[in-house]
Amino acid sequence: DGGITQSPKYLFRKEGQNVTLSCEQNLNHDAMYWYRQDPGQGLRLIYYSQIVNDFQKGDIAEGYSVSREKKESFPLTVTSAQKNPTAFYLCASSTTSRRGSYEQYFGPGTRLTVT
Amino acid sequence: AQSVTQLDSQVPVFEEAPVELRCNYSSSVSVYLFWYVQYPNQGLQLLLKYLSGSTLVESINGFEAEFNKSQTSFHLRKPSVHISDTAEYFCAVSEGEGNTPLVFGKGTRLSVIA
Repeated sequence: DGGITQSPKYLFRKEGQNVTLSCEQNLNHDAMYWYRQDPGQGLRLIYYSQIVNDFQKGDIAEGYSVSREKKESFPLTVTSAQKNPTAFYLCASSTTSRRGSYEQYFGPGTRLTVT
Repeated sequence: AQSVTQLDSQVPVFEEAPVELRCNYSSSVSVYLFWYVQYPNQGLQLLLKYLSGSTLVESINGFEAEFNKSQTSFHLRKPSVHISDTAEYFCAVSEGEGNTPLVFGKGTRLSVIA
């Protein structure tokens, strides 16, 4: 079964700790994305990567970091510098072929709570 | 820069009644358009998409959307809703070149009342 997995589903951390959210895909997609979702604010783009070893900042990258060492994996680290990290985090991927339809496929999400 | 406006943040509707969720976008170039659905505590699922061709696109569960280039709209409709349609719906747009990220609207929460 092809798809995107995010783990864990729920994550709890103390303030001041860094935490890494996992995102893995077996769809052979080149591009991967991280979004943050807060009630009433829709999806906000944190980082995206169109190819291995390259990534770009999205609209709200401050306090976050990513890596893209493998095509299948795009982990997101929420650092202690992120002022309000409690949120629902969504990972997505898509193709880069011009024959592709450009829709993004989403993982099930990780709900991070920082206290 | 692109933007997507979903005019209604919440839409309550009675079961078996019709519904329209509105979406307008701003772009000066050709676009691809998408509607996603999100159930509580889950990721987004693609509902339907417009890439080219017929301006009316349909999903397998009875939703349809019509691309209107002159009005820059892509409204989502269903003639008769079910309780199971209760969810949040997001409209998204891509300019279709390369693989720039989709731009999402803020979402519309559809609540179907028995």
